[in-house]
Amino acid sequence: AAGVIQSPRHLIKEKRETATLKCYPIPRHDTVYWYQQGPGQDPQFLISFYEKMQSDKGSIPDRFSAQQFSDYHSELNMSSLELGDSALYFCASSKTSGIEQYFGPGTRLTVT
Amino acid sequence: GQNIDQPTEMTATEGAIVQINCTYQTSGFNGLFWYQQHAGEAPTFLSYNVLDGLEEKGRFSSFLSRSKGYSYLLLKELQMKDSASYLCAVMGSSNTGKLIFGQGTTLQVKP
Repeated sequence: AAGVIQSPRHLIKEKRETATLKCYPIPRHDTVYWYQQGPGQDPQFLISFYEKMQSDKGSIPDRFSAQQFSDYHSELNMSSLELGDSALYFCASSKTSGIEQYFGPGTRLTVT
Repeated sequence: GQNIDQPTEMTATEGAIVQINCTYQTSGFNGLFWYQQHAGEAPTFLSYNVLDGLEEKGRFSSFLSRSKGYSYLLLKELQMKDSASYLCAVMGSSNTGKLIFGQGTTLQVKP
């Protein structure tokens, strides 16, 4: 069965650079969630989209922005990167804010 | 505020039964989830409770008491591959599906 796809899987950036993370949800899933998981931490909700509109927002810095496109894929744009942004970034998808969220494999971002 | 508590670490023996507890205080409640996460990998869905009681799924069961703000995940016939982190997550008052995670319980299964 198709799963959530995230790219790239690993990304190394320097401080003050920008990064773009991509997420391709499971076909026919219309809701996408982004979570950030620091080392040894629990996943923290960043932002979600339903039918290409932002549906909820969590502890997402102003330096980050995201959107969901017409094909339902989503991109998380991160600017002025800081060392503390180093983390695993997970995307999850579901059907209409459904019960089960399916997580992608994550993008490991390292900021040096 | 939002608060979800789980033990940080647990150790159990292969073949045994282990219970991982989770207590929560959240603004609103639309369900409690348990996820399994191996190091560096994505969380995978284990169970969902929205009504009080026990939900059984093979070797895994999950219990919920909404009045007590309490849940547990029960793992039976432990296998070495069950060594992982177990995350308790609550869907709060928002109807957008946002999950609030606890810090996770790292379970080590020993032979």
